[in-house]
Amino acid sequence: QVQVVESGGGVVQPGRSLRLSCAASGFIFSNYGMHWVRQAPGKGLEWVAVIWYDGSNKYYVDSVKGRFTISRDNSKNTLYLQMNSLRVEDTAVYYCARDPGPYYVDYWGQGTLVTVSS
Amino acid sequence: QSALAQPPSASGSPGQSVTISCTGTSSDVGAYTYVSWYQQRPGKAPQLMIYEVSKRPSGVPVRFSGSKSGNTASLTVSGLQAEDEADYYCGSHAGSNYLVFGGGTKLTVL
Repeated sequence: QVQVVESGGGVVQPGRSLRLSCAASGFIFSNYGMHWVRQAPGKGLEWVAVIWYDGSNKYYVDSVKGRFTISRDNSKNTLYLQMNSLRVEDTAVYYCARDPGPYYVDYWGQGTLVTVSS
Repeated sequence: QSALAQPPSASGSPGQSVTISCTGTSSDVGAYTYVSWYQQRPGKAPQLMIYEVSKRPSGVPVRFSGSKSGNTASLTVSGLQAEDEADYYCGSHAGSNYLVFGGGTKLTVL
């Protein structure tokens, strides 16, 4: 069955970096675009970034442009989110999600919590 | 990249129908047939309920339906059941902004 499992969350100080990973299984990872979506505590969903199936295109929400980088390793069936210059407002549960195309997500992971605090 | 507008809450009694609206602009909801809806129960990951305005993934009950008119999309839940109580989010392709979600609607089954 399709599974995506996030890891790498934790508590980090403002200005520091963190890298999230998402391990995919149960489907041909290299055939699908993948997204990161976040949800601040008690708030709604916010789309963060997407990467095409082959890594050829990447898009970001304005608030993370220049700070976050989405990438993937299709040989390892793994999606990444490198987060630099973290801010308090980046505190959220980060979900990895599959894009069967176009422009929606079907399978979501259980999320990994990132807390940015001094 | 403004969030799509959803009412913060909606409610209905078991067996009734409830419709949740999702209002965007001519740059997102109004421009594309790529509106999706997600159900999120407390402490759980979201689940896809509707994609491409009105298509249901396998396993989603036929009680859930979607539609769109102009810049506003709608999710209708017919024959409400207690298990439908959850938060619902709409999403839409937004051109160069790629994907945008609504603020969410808490559906209460009375």
